[in-house]
Amino acid sequence: EAQVTQNPRYLITVTGKKLTVTCSQNMNHEYMSWYRQDPGLGLRQIYYSMNVEVTDKGDVPEGYKVSRKEKRNFPLILESPSPNQTSLYFCASSFSGRASTDTQYFGPGTRLTVL
Amino acid sequence: QKEVEQNSGPLSVPEGAIASLNCTYSDRGSQSFFWYRQYSGKSPELIMSIYSNGDKEDGRFTAQLNKASQYVSLLIRDSQPSDSATYLCAVKKTSYDKVIFGPGTSLSVIP
Repeated sequence: EAQVTQNPRYLITVTGKKLTVTCSQNMNHEYMSWYRQDPGLGLRQIYYSMNVEVTDKGDVPEGYKVSRKEKRNFPLILESPSPNQTSLYFCASSFSGRASTDTQYFGPGTRLTVL
Repeated sequence: QKEVEQNSGPLSVPEGAIASLNCTYSDRGSQSFFWYRQYSGKSPELIMSIYSNGDKEDGRFTAQLNKASQYVSLLIRDSQPSDSATYLCAVKKTSYDKVIFGPGTSLSVIP
């Protein structure tokens, strides 16, 4: 089954404790992206990657890191989480990201709470 | 001005009625427009995409695009309680590879 998976689905942590949220897709997509969703603010892009070893900042990259060492994986790293990073996080992928007709497929989401 | 705006909602319609969801965008050069449906606590799923002016129909859903006026709308005919969700408008920019999402409109279909 073609899908985007994220782990963990739910995470409660404390300020300053490093964490990683994994994202994996099995569709051979080149483009992958991380979003956070907050009430009233919609989906905001954190980072995206056009291909292996190619990443770039989105609208809200502060406090986050990513890496793209393999085509299928795009982990999101919070080196020192803070309470304002409490949010619902989505990973998404699409075939190339460049075509105007390219559409994104979303993972199930990770609900993160930072105390 | 936000890059993508949607009617604030929540929008309530009776079952069987037409639900109309509106979206405006600020970048006149935008090329691609998407409507996603998101059930509470779930991930967005694509309903419709539209790229040229006019109407595009898919079952009970019709997307309408007017680039001159910079708006895109989604009509849901014969609304069902299962259509109750938040609808996200998304716009793809031409200058770089990025999709901008609106804040969403919550729709409630009353049986």
